[in-house]
Amino acid sequence: AQKITQTQPGMFVQEKEAVTLDCTYDTSDPSYGLFWYKQPSSGEMIFLIYQGSYDQQNATEGRYSLNFQKARKSANLVISASQLGDSAMYFCAMREMNYGGSQGNLIFGKGTKLSVKP
Amino acid sequence: DTEVTQTPKHLVMGMTNKKSLKCEQHMGHRAMYWYKQKAKKPPELMFVYSYEKLSINESVPSRFSPECPNSSLLNLHLHALQPEDSALYLCASSQGRWVGYNEQFFGPGTRLTVL
Repeated sequence: AQKITQTQPGMFVQEKEAVTLDCTYDTSDPSYGLFWYKQPSSGEMIFLIYQGSYDQQNATEGRYSLNFQKARKSANLVISASQLGDSAMYFCAMREMNYGGSQGNLIFGKGTKLSVKP
Repeated sequence: DTEVTQTPKHLVMGMTNKKSLKCEQHMGHRAMYWYKQKAKKPPELMFVYSYEKLSINESVPSRFSPECPNSSLLNLHLHALQPEDSALYLCASSQGRWVGYNEQFFGPGTRLTVL
């Protein structure tokens, strides 16, 4: 079974509008971290935001916020006021803290390609 | 300095060549990683070094040979590669494998083409 599921292979959003990128995860580890990375066509993976499983509040970093719904095992990324420079591939990732089968490594979803239209 | 650097940016090599990829970080991180990424796919973990010791080798073929000469440097030696090894090779570092939430900082990658 996939540990990280991103169901949207591609998304379009109009410049200046908000967009939500979906991510669901599967783990039995009570202690885990969820990450979002942005990868422009240049290739570099850019860390955007992190949410810990015990964090009570949703994480926010500038225009990025993480809509964390623990019971539903979802960690959606919300980008407000989209900019042309937001066009990129976005990966959701998870790290299980208590070893588990993933040995504490990052597990990536398949990614969502976001295109921002002017 | 929150940067991970990788050289070269692009590399084209024949199947009989020997080449090396280099990764460097000066953040005092003690865990370093090599990932392989094919087009339109997520990164796949290849190797993990923790305190300069190889911690994880994800069943990578022996034609890929990692080396961690010191805490700031990570090399990936390539020999007798196959065309299917053409990919983006990403290096990353983090404070430690089990330190905090272990945010990984990635370098810009090396785009490798094997002819």
